[in-house]
Amino acid sequence: EVQLVESGGDLVRPGGSLSLSCAASGFRFSSYWMHWVRQAPGKGLVWVSRIKDDAATINYADSVKGRFTVSRDNARNTLYLHMNGLRAEDTGVYFCVRGPGGGADFDYWGQGALVTVSS
Amino acid sequence: QTVVTQEPLLTVSPGGTVTLTCASSTGALTSDNFPNWFQQKPGQAPRPLIYSTGDRHSWTPARFSGSLLGGKAALTLSPVQPEDEAEYYCLLYFRGTQSWVFGGGTKVTVL
Repeated sequence: EVQLVESGGDLVRPGGSLSLSCAASGFRFSSYWMHWVRQAPGKGLVWVSRIKDDAATINYADSVKGRFTVSRDNARNTLYLHMNGLRAEDTGVYFCVRGPGGGADFDYWGQGALVTVSS
Repeated sequence: QTVVTQEPLLTVSPGGTVTLTCASSTGALTSDNFPNWFQQKPGQAPRPLIYSTGDRHSWTPARFSGSLLGGKAALTLSPVQPEDEAEYYCLLYFRGTQSWVFGGGTKVTVL
């Protein structure tokens, strides 16, 4: 069974930093792209970033470019999102999502980690 | 900044048919935008329904179908069931910026 479990969500002050982790199981993590998607309270979904299976390709939404860094450890089956310069508008639930591994994209989602940016 | 537009609200009767659309500010969509559709109910993570324009995931009921219609991506529900009441989001890929953009969502009410 494919499972994605996010952790690291917290309350952080504006301008602060936070790192999220996503532990993957039930599939060959090293063969799949991975995404981060976020959702502000009561708002819609926003794509944040993606990373190729071997980390050779990484892309970001303009809203986080230069502040967020995505990375992965294929030996530990773990995806990371390092967030710097956090703003109130970064508040929301961050979902870890499985990308393509030769087939469907965005097919499995974690339950999300809540990040709150507030003074 | 690319904007992806969906109808904010649609109402449909049980057993009826409803079509949701997804348009891009960049112009007509093609299969190279790899339209995806997701269903989300309150308090839950999004549930994937359709990928690559019209491919269903293994768990997606046959009453959900995806297509390209007049330069837009479309999701058709037929026949609609009461449990289909939810928010629906489309997601598009833009090769030029190597980025994905979600639509604002469509709230489907079944009355």
